[in-house]
Amino acid sequence: DVKVTQSSRYLVKRTGEKVFLECVQDMDHENMFWYRQDPGLGLRLIYFSYDVKMKEKGDIPEGYSVSREKKERFSLILESASTNQTSMYLCASLPDGESYEQYFGPGTRLTVT
Amino acid sequence: QQQVKQSPQSLIVQKGGIPIINCAYENTAFDYFPWYQQFPGKGPALLIAIRPDVSEKKEGRFTISFNKSAKQFSLHIMDSQPGDSATYFCAANSGGSNYKLTFGKGTLLTVNP
Repeated sequence: DVKVTQSSRYLVKRTGEKVFLECVQDMDHENMFWYRQDPGLGLRLIYFSYDVKMKEKGDIPEGYSVSREKKERFSLILESASTNQTSMYLCASLPDGESYEQYFGPGTRLTVT
Repeated sequence: QQQVKQSPQSLIVQKGGIPIINCAYENTAFDYFPWYQQFPGKGPALLIAIRPDVSEKKEGRFTISFNKSAKQFSLHIMDSQPGDSATYFCAANSGGSNYKLTFGKGTLLTVNP
């Protein structure tokens, strides 16, 4: 079974703090994604990476950056957390090929106070 | 601009009923249409997917109906059970080397016993 793990299930940070969300997948997938999920807004893509050290902006990249130094690990960074970044953050991975099935982690619920 | 419109936002049915969730898209380049199921506290998981060369796909009690000319697709759940209570997301992706998914806003389904 594919396993995507996220470093924290719940996280509380203060406004202005630098926040790191970590995601690790164990299936050697080339592609990894970060989404945020908000009620009534569905899943919105923040950033994705199709290879080590490669990244592309998604639909809502403002206020976020990412790092992918190793194939299995994709980090989301909030440089200076703000209250409007309070959300559920979901990581996903996907192998190259004809299947487009993305495998999601359990999510990190981040609260910025 | 929302590229995948999903309705209804929420749906309540009795056990054994047939809930139907609808999605409409605008981008004719989309060529893969998955449905994801998400239980509380979990990440979304692929439920069923269809490509536009077929009009219907069935897996167990779950059926996707696809209408290419109308740019619409829908999920039907036959003989619904309380265990089907979850949030359902439709999505679309443009294929090729682009692995990005555009998600609908989600439908919260409740199946009462």
